[in-house]
Amino acid sequence: EVQLVESGGGLVQPGGSLRLSCAASGFTFSNFWMTWVRQAPGKGLEWVANIKQDESEKNYVESVKGRFTISRDNAKNSLYLQMNSLRAEDTAVYYCARGYWNFDLWGRGILVTVSS
Amino acid sequence: DIVMTQSPDSLAVSLGERATVNCKSSQSVLYSSDNKNYLAWYQQKPGQPPKLLIYWASTRESGVPDRFAGSGSGTDFTLTISSLQAEDVAVYYCQQYYSTTRTFGQGTKVEIK
Repeated sequence: EVQLVESGGGLVQPGGSLRLSCAASGFTFSNFWMTWVRQAPGKGLEWVANIKQDESEKNYVESVKGRFTISRDNAKNSLYLQMNSLRAEDTAVYYCARGYWNFDLWGRGILVTVSS
Repeated sequence: DIVMTQSPDSLAVSLGERATVNCKSSQSVLYSSDNKNYLAWYQQKPGQPPKLLIYWASTRESGVPDRFAGSGSGTDFTLTISSLQAEDVAVYYCQQYYSTTRTFGQGTKVEIK
């Protein structure tokens, strides 16, 4: 089955760190750009970052630059998002998605809550 | 960043009637070299991830019913549901992929009247 499954979310204090993972299956992961999109509770969608197939290109939304790092391991069919210096406004469901321009496959999402 | 503004924020339509969602970009998303509009539409039902409906402004994703249609060019785009069904109740988002930083509209909630 073609799917993406996120993990690693949870409750973290402001200033803390968290690493999200996304396990891909059912397709050739190494052929695709991958993307993280987040959605704050009751709010709309916000593109966070994307990464090229060979990690040679990475892009970030301004609000997370210098704090978040996107990476991947093609041998493990996995995508990651290392989140440091977390803030309350980073509280959201984080989705892993396949694609560079638009996103044709999404995970179910994982909740990250930043609160003391 | 390119700002995407959708209208209305919500709308209620009777079953079988037409629903129209508008999306306006703060700058053109029409790329002159390939004459393509770098715009997609998504549907998000409660408790679910978004689902890609339309890309290149008017190309339906495989498996999407033909009652969904995308139109427009440049800065003004429309998603039309020609005959609203109960299962179409959702929030709809437009998204531009013209700029390196992708951006979404704020969403339009479609309900049954």
